[in-house]
Amino acid sequence: KAGVTQTPRYLIKTRGQQVTLSCSPISGHRSVSWYQQTPGQGLQFLFEYFSETQRNKGNFPGRFSGRQFSNSRSEMNVSTLELGDSALYLCASSLGDREGHEQYFGPGTRLTVT
Amino acid sequence: SQQGEEDPQALSIQEGENATMNCSYKTSINNLQWYRQNSGRGLVHLILIRSNEREKHSGRLRVTLDTSKKSSSLLITASRAADTASYFCATVAILTGGGNKLTFGTGTQLKVEL
Repeated sequence: KAGVTQTPRYLIKTRGQQVTLSCSPISGHRSVSWYQQTPGQGLQFLFEYFSETQRNKGNFPGRFSGRQFSNSRSEMNVSTLELGDSALYLCASSLGDREGHEQYFGPGTRLTVT
Repeated sequence: SQQGEEDPQALSIQEGENATMNCSYKTSINNLQWYRQNSGRGLVHLILIRSNEREKHSGRLRVTLDTSKKSSSLLITASRAADTASYFCATVAILTGGGNKLTFGTGTQLKVEL
């Protein structure tokens, strides 16, 4: 099975711009979660999508949004970028049932905001 | 916000020695998982232990869970240079709507020297 893929792998944006990151989960996985990793805050949960619906949400401002398509692929959007949004953005897929299965992570998108 | 702390923050050992990392968390959990991350790349799932389990083994890995103390430990036996990485514990809470929200610890940076 192919693993989780994320595009692009690297991105440089300017403050005030917006960005869209993409994630393709493992075939058969219906849950996609997004995480932000920074040296200061560590790994933080952004949101989870399951069957095209946002099922859980972390404590991030409304500038961070996402969506999931019928093929389970997911996108994450950050509007009005701030310097503090510079981070490694990781997506993870899993079966998504109630048992809290292990998650399979993509290689991440490294976003730099200048 | 992060669930808890990992101890130690950094650990340097010689190849062949054992490495032990500890994780503490704050709330009731469904399960606890350990992940490895190499050099700021994606995370790799190592092992999952459920709240009703006390110990679990997988190859050179041994995980214990003490729900009364809200703590877990990861033991890597006979370490190898390839084990050099950051190790994170992550808890899965019991969520009303189900789901896969991982709450990560602060991580332990392990360096295994030849």
